[in-house]
Amino acid sequence: GAVVSQHPSWVICKSGTSVKIECRSLDFQATTMFWYRQFPKQSLMLMATSNEGSKATYEQGVEKDKFLINHASLTLSTLTVTSAHPEDSSFYICSADYRPYEQYFGPGTRLTVT
Amino acid sequence: TQLLEQSPQFLSIQEGENLTVYCNSSSVFSSLQWYRQEPGEGPVLLVTVVTGGEVKKLKRPTFQFGDARKDSSLHITAAQPGDTGLYLCAGDRGTSYGKLTFGQGTILTVHP
Repeated sequence: GAVVSQHPSWVICKSGTSVKIECRSLDFQATTMFWYRQFPKQSLMLMATSNEGSKATYEQGVEKDKFLINHASLTLSTLTVTSAHPEDSSFYICSADYRPYEQYFGPGTRLTVT
Repeated sequence: TQLLEQSPQFLSIQEGENLTVYCNSSSVFSSLQWYRQEPGEGPVLLVTVVTGGEVKKLKRPTFQFGDARKDSSLHITAAQPGDTGLYLCAGDRGTSYGKLTFGQGTILTVHP
């Protein structure tokens, strides 16, 4: 149990286009999901908290208009990178709360903006 | 800002050797967690310690905690090549459960 999936696993897009990444909890419901980004050989940085039925909360320095988050149901959160630029290229990882102090991470999505 | 300092950054050992990775913070988190991440994949939870010292151990490695939820060490005995990966400690900020601050990670390589 406690499996989180992400789709797509990798995506290449042109500068200026938008990309949507899906995060799903496959065998449990998650009222809260989190989005992280990770640059090569670096650690994870929290971008935002996705709350089912309410607006996402963003970490300081993260542009909410650029990284749109929608938590449509208890098993699905989406991250849309709008007007992507090469500096947005990164590894995006989501996680979902399974139970207190136990969250599970998705396998990540590699975004490359050309 | 709550920060987590991990050491060492890189560790290369032979199969069968023991190792310890350290995670230190200047402040207390509501919980401390250890994860292992393989290239191109998401982190996998290894263990969590929460308020009161309760430890939820999910995987093989053993853990020691100093000042609970502030200092932690990850100890692996008789390491195997399958233990190779990036080890991350993470602290729950506590003001809003689930928001994790990660250490910079320790890249472990276990040679056969």
